[in-house]
Amino acid sequence: GNSVTQMEGPVTLSEEAFLTINCTYTATGYPSLFWYVQYPGEGLQLLLKATKADDKGSNKGFEATYRKETTSFHLEKGSVQVSDSAVYFCALILNNAGNMLTFGGGTRLMVKP
Amino acid sequence: DAGITQSPRHKVTETGTPVTLRCHQTENHRYMYWYRQDPGHGLRLIHYSYGVKDTDKGEVSDGYSVSRSKTEDFLLTLESATSSQTSVYFCASDTGTQETQYFGPGTRLLVL
Repeated sequence: GNSVTQMEGPVTLSEEAFLTINCTYTATGYPSLFWYVQYPGEGLQLLLKATKADDKGSNKGFEATYRKETTSFHLEKGSVQVSDSAVYFCALILNNAGNMLTFGGGTRLMVKP
Repeated sequence: DAGITQSPRHKVTETGTPVTLRCHQTENHRYMYWYRQDPGHGLRLIHYSYGVKDTDKGEVSDGYSVSRSKTEDFLLTLESATSSQTSVYFCASDTGTQETQYFGPGTRLLVL
């Protein structure tokens, strides 16, 4: 089956620190990969995505590169802000297999001033 | 942002009672989804719909039913609520082309 594994949180960083949240996947086919973010008290919203190997998704200073050889899609940001405090979810959709997202367990990020 | 609302936003109920959660979207999206969010599990798909009156089961469908009589509305029913169904429920919708799924704000359900 398909699955997504994320590093367990919480991840606590000081403002302006470098962020990495690891994400690896297993899939029976060829997936598209996503990062969603959930701010406190809100629903999820798409942060970035990549649809094929070596694609880099980017948004709001966050980046993730689709690495087929290591089945990974790690999220990075060079300098986090307090406003980045949220829960981050890695997810996949199998191409040509409908639109059902498979999510990782989520990683809570806390950024301190 | 897509207009997706959920009602109620919070509900406390007792074991054995039926509960219906409503999701309403104004984007004319063909696909709609119900997920539950639990610590350590991320979001898990309960049911989804690919059109009016067209629904199918997701990963954790036991104890839940859904209905979609109009494009804009997707109802989730807990026939007889149990404490294991205490969770946060999210609705989502999209066009079915593997682009962005848009999520509602969530419904926090407590079953006592």
